[in-house]
Amino acid sequence: DADVTQTPRNRITKTGKRIMLECSQTKGHDRMYWYRQDPGLGLRLIYYSFDVKDINKGEISDGYSVSRQAQAKFSLSLESAIPNQTALYFCATSDPTGTTAGYTFGSGTRLTVV
Amino acid sequence: AQSVSQHNHHVILSEAASLELGCNYSYGGTVNLFWYVQYPGQHLQLLLKYFSGDPLVKGIKGFEAEFIKSKFSFNLRKPSVQWSDTAEYFCAVNPSGSARQLTFGSGTQLTVLP
Repeated sequence: DADVTQTPRNRITKTGKRIMLECSQTKGHDRMYWYRQDPGLGLRLIYYSFDVKDINKGEISDGYSVSRQAQAKFSLSLESAIPNQTALYFCATSDPTGTTAGYTFGSGTRLTVV
Repeated sequence: AQSVSQHNHHVILSEAASLELGCNYSYGGTVNLFWYVQYPGQHLQLLLKYFSGDPLVKGIKGFEAEFIKSKFSFNLRKPSVQWSDTAEYFCAVNPSGSARQLTFGSGTQLTVLP
């Protein structure tokens, strides 16, 4: 089984719909992250969480919300999806320092908003 | 806040050619540096990392990177590329000893022609 599992792998949704992307990890790490990847822009941080009670906005949090249901689960929601949220979304987890082994990424969710 | 620049957006090489991908960062203090690789359709995987010590870091699959503090650079190198090295490469940085998350560069797409 993968260390970081994202569901769904692919999703097409309509403008205005609410959608949730889920992430679970088996690394036992406290730190979890949501990034979006766009061509030519690299990965940009949406939200991050250092433990269940600690959630922080990243670089591009507008239009997104998150929920840290447990140490192992970190969900990303688009309250009202819009076409420019079409992107590849990655969840990641890291050790307490965020550095020792780098980040472990999930396989990504490709989201298309039409 | 830290930032990362990868000036080569797309590099095309023939097999056996040597590779050097540029990475420059902007931050006034001590940093941790990473290179990640993303093969087509896959998630990001850690290639190598630098925290301290020897500025020449060796990673997986024959890759290495050199940290040059005076130039704020962490260039990735490989003496002889293979077709299987075709992928997107991301440089990332975070301040040492802090809780800050990784900041990624925009990525360099490497295409190796057989």
